[in-house]
Amino acid sequence: EIVLTQSPGTLSLSPGERATLSCRASQSVSSSYLAWYQQKPGQAPRLLIYGASSRATGIPDRFSGSGSGTDFTLTISRLEPEDFAVYYCQQYGSSPPAYTFGQGTKLEIK
Amino acid sequence: EVQLVESGGGLVQPGGSLRLSCAASGFTFSSYEMNWVRQAPGKGLEWVSYISSSGSTIYYADSVKGRFTISRDNAKNSLYLQMNSLRAEDTAVYYCARVLWSGYEFLGMDVWGQGTTVTVSS
Repeated sequence: EIVLTQSPGTLSLSPGERATLSCRASQSVSSSYLAWYQQKPGQAPRLLIYGASSRATGIPDRFSGSGSGTDFTLTISRLEPEDFAVYYCQQYGSSPPAYTFGQGTKLEIK
Repeated sequence: EVQLVESGGGLVQPGGSLRLSCAASGFTFSSYEMNWVRQAPGKGLEWVSYISSSGSTIYYADSVKGRFTISRDNAKNSLYLQMNSLRAEDTAVYYCARVLWSGYEFLGMDVWGQGTTVTVSS
């Protein structure tokens, strides 16, 4: 079973700064099976990135994803006030079949 | 409007049962695979269960295997989660989510409901 570990646990930045969030898998993951979500308090998660680097519909281009193998990154180029939230990576694994989430990174205003 | 609306949550005693429902609208429900995902208070997201568009393929997280049963009724545009032998650690907000695949590429869970709260306590 693949485990996803996100770092840092909390990231404190100011609007306008660049955010880099990491997701590390315990074994190699196909890029085709890696997604990122944003969740704000009291709301359902929102799909940001799929296929490790493709933006979902309506997602601003300041959000980008990259990586392969065991190391994946979500980058927010210039933070807007509405970007402060919790971010989760997720992967689909086939042995056993599961849609595993990382534990999340909280992006807070500094 | 594409929408998922969960219902059926509530307070239940340990060992009890509860059935969650998820009503889909605005899209062809029978064409999509679906998941249940939960979130314990103050914790992260945990995948619970998956069902294929026809209902013929089902997966569960180890934490709920043997206790929870996922099902769907495509004629009623509805997804269900029957939860038996509930434990305190099952306390969470339960979300239904639409799953997108294109061939062998996972396109993510693109539509989520607002969630329904399950509290297991005596």
